[in-house]
Amino acid sequence: QVQLQESGPGLVKPSETLSLTCAVSGYSITSGYYWGWIRQPPGKGLEWIGSLYHSGSTYYNPSLKSRVTISVDTSKNQFSLRLSSVTAADTAVYYCARRAGIAAAGSTMGYYYMDVWGKGTTVTVSS
Amino acid sequence: SSELTQDPAVSVALGQTVRITCQGDSLRSYYASWYQQKPGQAPVLVIYAKNNRPSGIPDRFSGSSSGNTASLTITGAQAEDEADYYCNSRDSSANHHVVFGGGTKLTVL
Repeated sequence: QVQLQESGPGLVKPSETLSLTCAVSGYSITSGYYWGWIRQPPGKGLEWIGSLYHSGSTYYNPSLKSRVTISVDTSKNQFSLRLSSVTAADTAVYYCARRAGIAAAGSTMGYYYMDVWGKGTTVTVSS
Repeated sequence: SSELTQDPAVSVALGQTVRITCQGDSLRSYYASWYQQKPGQAPVLVIYAKNNRPSGIPDRFSGSSSGNTASLTITGAQAEDEADYYCNSRDSSANHHVVFGGGTKLTVL
């Protein structure tokens, strides 16, 4: 059974860098799939932060791209999120998730979905 | 980036059928996936690839798609179905980018 577990500081000061790790168990990151981060501010909806493939290819939400880095440590079977210059607006529950899917081709529809999620970790930005 | 639009709130009487919709340009090329989120919990995938249910998801949940609109239908809604529901798809403007709808709060009366 594939499981994801987020970890990291629950409190980060404004202007500092938020760092989280997602440990993957029951599946090797190098075997496939994309791996990503999603966040949810208090009382609001889900926001995709970015994803990576085990080869190191990364994809970021344009609204966060200048501040985000997602990286993988295949030796530990985990991937990480760094978000720099945080403000109170970055206060949220942060989830890691596994993403599956296929690309659209010709008249054949594609699909993306996130089938395994971590429980989430709350990060508060405050001095 | 593209957007997915959902109604903020929908209600349904216990045992009745409810449809939750999601609109967006990306849905012309990519099927939506649907997630259920209960308070204090992580989202759970309930429908993917148009109308596929992961193991453990009741068959009262179904999905459909037409043009730029995807729908999640709950046939015979139960009290435990009260939750927030989010649609999700690929961003039509960028490969491997993902977009979520704003979410629909489902109330079971």
